[in-house]
Amino acid sequence: KAGVTQTPRYLIKTRGQQVTLSCSPISGHRSVSWYQQTPGQGLQFLFEYFSETQRNKGNFPGRFSGRQFSNSRSEMNVSTLELGDSALYLCASSRQGGDTDTQYFGPGTRLTVL
Amino acid sequence: ELKVEQNPLFLSMQEGKNYTIYCNYSTTSDRLYWYRQDPGKSLESLFVLLSNGAVKQEGRLMASLDTKARLSTLHITAAVHDLSATYFCAVDAHFSGGSNYKLTFGKGTLLTVNP
Repeated sequence: KAGVTQTPRYLIKTRGQQVTLSCSPISGHRSVSWYQQTPGQGLQFLFEYFSETQRNKGNFPGRFSGRQFSNSRSEMNVSTLELGDSALYLCASSRQGGDTDTQYFGPGTRLTVL
Repeated sequence: ELKVEQNPLFLSMQEGKNYTIYCNYSTTSDRLYWYRQDPGKSLESLFVLLSNGAVKQEGRLMASLDTKARLSTLHITAAVHDLSATYFCAVDAHFSGGSNYKLTFGKGTLLTVNP
C-alpha cells in the first residue's frame, strides 16, 4: 500500500512569491492535515481537511490556505512568502480524521525562502 | 492555549540502560500520541493512547497515560543504537466524541544511544 506522498520534496523561493504544495493521502484516507516544522517553533498544526471541507485551522495568518479535492488529494498555498516561512511542511492522512485514528505522515516538502 | 512540554529535550544514553521521557500537557485531554522522527525523515506513529491508564508496549518502548496528572511517559528498556531518533508527544486539543485532529506537539526529545 503506497504511503502519503508529497510534491515537490524541495523548493526554493524568494520573498514575496507564492508557493503551492501538494499531498496525496493513502488510498481510502479522507482526512488530510498539514503541519509546519521549524527548529524554533517545532511542529505546528496548520489545518485539516475532510471531504473537501476545512474542519480545523491552526493559528497561522491568512497567507496560508489550503484545499482538498474530491479524490482527497490536498494542496496548501502560501502567498507573499516571508523568510520565516522556511520550514519543512508535513502532511498527514488518516481514514476519518477522528482522534482514534492513526495519522500517517508524508516525507515532507522542505521550503527555503531567500 | 494548550501547551505540551517534554523533558528532557536531549538524552544521551548508553546501550542497555533504561530511561523515561516525560510529556506534560496543560489542559484536559485523553488523547495522546507518540511519534518518532529520524534525521531528515518524516514522522512515524508509535503509540496512540486513548484513555486514562492506557499502557502500550512495542519492543523496547512502553508508553502510558495518566490523564489526571496530565502526564504521559515513554519508557525505554535496554536501549539499543537503533532507537536513536527524536521522539515527539502530541495532544489532541479536541477530545469530545467525533473530534478531529488538531494536534499540539511537544518540542521533541533527541535521543542518542551510544554503544
